[in-house]
Amino acid sequence: AQTVTQSQPEMSVQEAETVTLSCTYDTSENNYYLFWYKQPPSRQMILVIRQEAYKQQNATENRFSVNFQKAAKSFSLKISDSQLGDTAMYFCAFMRLTQGGSEKLVFGKGTKLTVNP
Amino acid sequence: DTEVTQTPKHLVMGMTNKKSLKCEQHMGHRAMYWYKQKAKKPPELMFVYSYEKLSINESVPSRFSPECPNSSLLNLHLHALQPEDSALYLCASSQVRISNTEAFFGQGTRLTVV
Repeated sequence: AQTVTQSQPEMSVQEAETVTLSCTYDTSENNYYLFWYKQPPSRQMILVIRQEAYKQQNATENRFSVNFQKAAKSFSLKISDSQLGDTAMYFCAFMRLTQGGSEKLVFGKGTKLTVNP
Repeated sequence: DTEVTQTPKHLVMGMTNKKSLKCEQHMGHRAMYWYKQKAKKPPELMFVYSYEKLSINESVPSRFSPECPNSSLLNLHLHALQPEDSALYLCASSQVRISNTEAFFGQGTRLTVV
């Protein structure tokens, strides 16, 4: 079974600084997808960034980038120039294709990030 | 339109009530999901529908009954719930093709069972 581990329950960062959230996962599969989702107090899960396992290049979306280390099964999220609106719970997630053709997201326990002014 | 709309946003129900949660998307996604999220916990998968057919049931009690009447709509029928079923229920949708996959989530229904 796939597992996703986020070892930092809470983190804080000063506005405009950089912060890195850690995520490791365990799988025996070769093809899969990794995601970082953000859940602000509004409750909606919002996709921050995604990475296909077959791509060696790390994904980047504006201030958000990942460090994907496939051999180490590590997928950390770096947030540059942190903004107050980045305050949220961040979930690392793993997606695999099931036998039935459906896709199943498995989430880590989350990291609560607070950006301080 | 990249929205997944869930109604109602809040629901309080008694243990003998029957209620339904509704989820709608118009992105042409053929995979739809129900997740349950307890406070300060990650979402836990309940059901997956693929091409309007139930493809995954994560051993969910029968007091939760999903339904996918068409490719845009997903319902969750609730009956004889317990107080421990109180949680945020999230709906999501995605394309089934693995070449272009991202799950879009709704804002959830906050359910309280009294």
